[in-house]
Amino acid sequence: EAGVAQSPRYKIIEKRQSVAFWCNPISGHATLYWYQQILGQGPKLLIQFQNNGVVDDSQLPKDRFSAERLKGVDSTLKIQPAKLEDSAVYLCASSLRDRAGTEAFFGQGTRLTVV
Amino acid sequence: QKEVEQNSGPLSVPEGAIASLNCTYSDRGSQSFFWYRQYSGKSPELIMSIYSNGDKEDGRFTAQLNKASQYVSLLIRDSQPSDSATYLCAVNPLYNFNKFYFGSGTKLNVKP
Repeated sequence: EAGVAQSPRYKIIEKRQSVAFWCNPISGHATLYWYQQILGQGPKLLIQFQNNGVVDDSQLPKDRFSAERLKGVDSTLKIQPAKLEDSAVYLCASSLRDRAGTEAFFGQGTRLTVV
Repeated sequence: QKEVEQNSGPLSVPEGAIASLNCTYSDRGSQSFFWYRQYSGKSPELIMSIYSNGDKEDGRFTAQLNKASQYVSLLIRDSQPSDSATYLCAVNPLYNFNKFYFGSGTKLNVKP
């Protein structure tokens, strides 16, 4: 079974530039998550999709971050314009939404450096 | 108050010893609990999940859950240098069993 795929693996941009990340979840996983992990901290949920609908985006900085999940499969996360404090690893995860206790599987992440 | 709290460590143990990692959570109605291991520069990977009070064993790992006290722990027996990593505790809240709250993680160093 293929895992969660993310690209790119690394990205360096200047502040005020824009950047986009892509995620392809495990086949059949209805729930998709984007997490931000700053060095030394645990993952922080940015947005959660159920199929192509947003379940939770309460911690997404909507003035600069946007995300979409077209057709309930792939997802993109965009930052425009980027700030220095956006430097982090952006993790995509997916899970089956069939019962409580279903684990989330993570992709390899995209390490973003804003200079 | 954070939903999930962990001691950031580092926790240092000698090879062969038992490592004990602890986690507390604030949502009393939480139902599912997970321990993820994250090596430096890598993504989190699940090592244990637990849903009922008591102990759950899987090889050298034992997860312990006490819902009355709102804590969950992970014991690693016969610790190996390869166990050196950050261990993240994650919790599903009652109102959204597909949401994961993560703690900040405990860094474990196993010294040869």
